[in-house]
Amino acid sequence: AQKVTQAQTEISVVEKEDVTLDCVYETRDTTYYLFWYKQPPSGELVFLIRRNSFDEQNEISGRYSWNFQKSTSSFNFTITASQVVDSAVYFCALSEETSGSRLTFGEGTQLTVNP
Amino acid sequence: EAGVAQSPRYKIIEKRQSVAFWCNPISGHATLYWYQQILGQGPKLLIQFQNNGVVDDSQLPKDRFSAERLKGVDSTLKIQPAKLEDSAVYLCASSLGQAGPGVGQPQHFGDGTRLSIL
Repeated sequence: AQKVTQAQTEISVVEKEDVTLDCVYETRDTTYYLFWYKQPPSGELVFLIRRNSFDEQNEISGRYSWNFQKSTSSFNFTITASQVVDSAVYFCALSEETSGSRLTFGEGTQLTVNP
Repeated sequence: EAGVAQSPRYKIIEKRQSVAFWCNPISGHATLYWYQQILGQGPKLLIQFQNNGVVDDSQLPKDRFSAERLKGVDSTLKIQPAKLEDSAVYLCASSLGQAGPGVGQPQHFGDGTRLSIL
């Protein structure tokens, strides 16, 4: 069965600090997809990134970067030079090819960036 | 491009009452999902439609929850009768497809309906 674990329930940093959000997943499928979503206080879930299981290249988008390591079943998310607007709950999610497109979410990490 | 539309934004009812939520997905998106997000938890899939057919309703409490997507576009989710534990945010999402290349497509979420049961 698929499972996503985000061990960090809450993280608090000061503006301009770098912060890494951890995500560990479990799956028996060889083909799967990993996602990160952001949920600001307004409530909507905003799609940030998708990786498939065959692409282990790290990705950078502005201040955001993602590190995908199949050997440790991890898909970690780093925000460089954090800003107050980054404050939100961040969810990691997994979709297995054999389960269709159903997303299994982790419990989320509440990130608070203080000025 | 318009996003996923949901209404109402908030709903307060008493236990044992009925309630319905509405969702209009992004135009052209064949797959529609309803998720339940209890406070402090990640969203949990309730039901998934491909066009107007149900693909996955394994986690839908069918004794009290029902959903339909009659014309393959918008959808309604109903709870009858509501219980205290149904207090949650109900999120609707849509994506382009399901099988084959559609697997792994990003899901785009609406703002959700926050349901409070008194």
